[in-house]
Amino acid sequence: QLQPQESGPGLVQPSETLSLTCTVSGGSISGTPHYWGWIRQPPGKGLEWIGTIFYTGTTHYNPSLKSRVTLSVDTSKNQFSLKLNSVTAADTAVYYCARLDYGDAMDYWGQGTLVTVSS
Amino acid sequence: DVVMTQSPLSLPVTLGQPASISCRSSQSLLHSDGNTYLNWFQQRPGQSPRRLIYKVSQRDSGVPDRFSGSGSGTDFTLKISRVEAEDVGVYYCMQGTLWPLYTFGQGTKLEIK
Repeated sequence: QLQPQESGPGLVQPSETLSLTCTVSGGSISGTPHYWGWIRQPPGKGLEWIGTIFYTGTTHYNPSLKSRVTLSVDTSKNQFSLKLNSVTAADTAVYYCARLDYGDAMDYWGQGTLVTVSS
Repeated sequence: DVVMTQSPLSLPVTLGQPASISCRSSQSLLHSDGNTYLNWFQQRPGQSPRRLIYKVSQRDSGVPDRFSGSGSGTDFTLKISRVEAEDVGVYYCMQGTLWPLYTFGQGTKLEIK
């Protein structure tokens, strides 16, 4: 069973960079037609797609976050990562990683990790 | 940009009764490849979202057949034929037609009366 798993600091200082990693078990992130992505959910609010990456390094970002987001992939570790810079309290959210099935979207989700932006 | 609008935002339902959630997109979700990439997700309290329906009406593996999706173009519906206690949660529609740009609806909170 494919299982993505998020990891990273749960607390980030305002204006700093949020960094998270998604480790995928039960399957390889490379050599398949699937993309991989990040989605976030502020406390008590809805879901927001952040960005998408292919194992070759091709990326696509939500235009509303594009200036602050960088996705990367490490196929040797079966991981992909998210960096969001210049964070504010508005970036406080549960961050999910997921496998993407083109237009059919997210078919496997991680359990999510809460990141709080606070001094 | 496509906007996904769900209604209602809150849905109290009696156990065993049907439920229906509407999702409207600001533009047609018919893709040039002939598919319509409209997905439905369920998020139970304290859990990650789970995809229930893809391509308007295709149920994911393990999804009970009391869940059904329908619609075309800009108007879509998720129906639950008989609501059970385990169906409590928030339901989101999401378009994938404009891949790689995904857009979620605001979510509909289903609760038991």
